[in-house]
Amino acid sequence: AQKVTQAQTEISVVEKEDVTLDCVYETRDTTYYLFWYKQPPSGELVFLIRRNSFDEQNEISGRYSWNFQKSTSSFNFTITASQVVDSAVYFCALSFPSGTYKYIFGTGTRLKVLA
Amino acid sequence: DGGITQSPKYLFRKEGQNVTLSCEQNLNHDAMYWYRQDPGQGLRLIYYSQIVNDFQKGDIAEGYSVSREKKESFPLTVTSAQKNPTAFYLCATRLGTVNSPLHFGNGTRLTVT
Repeated sequence: AQKVTQAQTEISVVEKEDVTLDCVYETRDTTYYLFWYKQPPSGELVFLIRRNSFDEQNEISGRYSWNFQKSTSSFNFTITASQVVDSAVYFCALSFPSGTYKYIFGTGTRLKVLA
Repeated sequence: DGGITQSPKYLFRKEGQNVTLSCEQNLNHDAMYWYRQDPGQGLRLIYYSQIVNDFQKGDIAEGYSVSREKKESFPLTVTSAQKNPTAFYLCATRLGTVNSPLHFGNGTRLTVT
């Protein structure tokens, strides 16, 4: 089965706290791609990062960092020193190089950053 | 500006009426997608199209229809056969191969009463 699980439905933090959004995926394919998207209240999903299955390097972009661990099938997203503007729904997604060109999305995690 | 335009942003219809949601893109992307978003259920794929005049059903295509007569346009019709049409609909495009990210429009919120 191919599946993406975001077990955290909603997280609330106070501004400046660090927060980690979890993403666990299932696939038997050896080649696949993982994505994170942000959906602010305006509704449009914004692409944040892509990682392919052969690249387990963690990545940092400003206050954002991503931890990809194939051993645990996880691709977690950490926001350091959270800000109110980080409030949004965050989606993790999985895609594959062959087949139906589908993207499999998790159910999303709503992050609320309180001032 | 390059982007994806979905119109209208809000749409209201009476039960039993067909309604068409517009999606236009000027990104020159080959692939286009329609997703439905319901609270707590993430994004579910309705239809996708990789090239003009070709499209495939997604996971929840029943009650929906699409066309892809032009590269720039991928309209979605919600028919009266769709049992629960009230939802947020998102159009997306993708350039090149499947490892490319999806680019999304701002969505259309459809309410059927």
